[in-house]
Amino acid sequence: GAVVSQHPSWVICKSGTSVKIECRSLDFQATTMFWYRQFPKQSLMLMATSNEGSKATYEQGVEKDKFLINHASLTLSTLTVTSAHPEDSSFYICSASLGGETQYFGPGTRLLVL
Amino acid sequence: AQSVTQPDIHITVSEGASLELRCNYSYGATPYLFWYVQSPGQGLQLLLKYFSGDTLVQGIKGFEAEFKRSQSSFNLRKPSVHWSDAAEYFCLGAGGTSYGKLTFGQGTILTVHP
Repeated sequence: GAVVSQHPSWVICKSGTSVKIECRSLDFQATTMFWYRQFPKQSLMLMATSNEGSKATYEQGVEKDKFLINHASLTLSTLTVTSAHPEDSSFYICSASLGGETQYFGPGTRLLVL
Repeated sequence: AQSVTQPDIHITVSEGASLELRCNYSYGATPYLFWYVQSPGQGLQLLLKYFSGDTLVQGIKGFEAEFKRSQSSFNLRKPSVHWSDAAEYFCLGAGGTSYGKLTFGQGTILTVHP
């Protein structure tokens, strides 16, 4: 149980385009979903926390207009990287929580912006 | 400030040898602590967690971790390492003002020699 999926698993796009990444909790309803970013040889950094039906809470230094998060249902959250640039290339991981302290992580999405 | 530190970036052990991965935390109160493993091309998998109670926590795949308040540590151990244990291991903490927000350690890459 507690499986989280992400789609796509990898994406290559041109600079200036927008990319949407989906995060789904497959067998449970997630009250809270989290989005992380992992740079090469670095740990994961929390970008934002989202609760279903409300605006996401962004971490300091994360541009909310750049990284749009929509948490439309208890099983789906989306992250849209708007007007992507090469420096946005990274590994994006989502996680979902049942309401407790344990988070279940998706497999991640590797984004490469050319 | 809340923090989780993994002092060892890379550890190499021989198959069958014992393993200990270090994790130190800095929180005002006892945090929730987790160990996750990230294998190449896969998402983060929860190995074990500590919230309260027995300070020796058993996890999956033969791993265990011991919470030591006096040393602010939560080291991960395994008595006999298998080649399939080669991966990157993350120690995470949650606590302080928000128990839902995870702080990641830097990660420790484990290499297993045959």
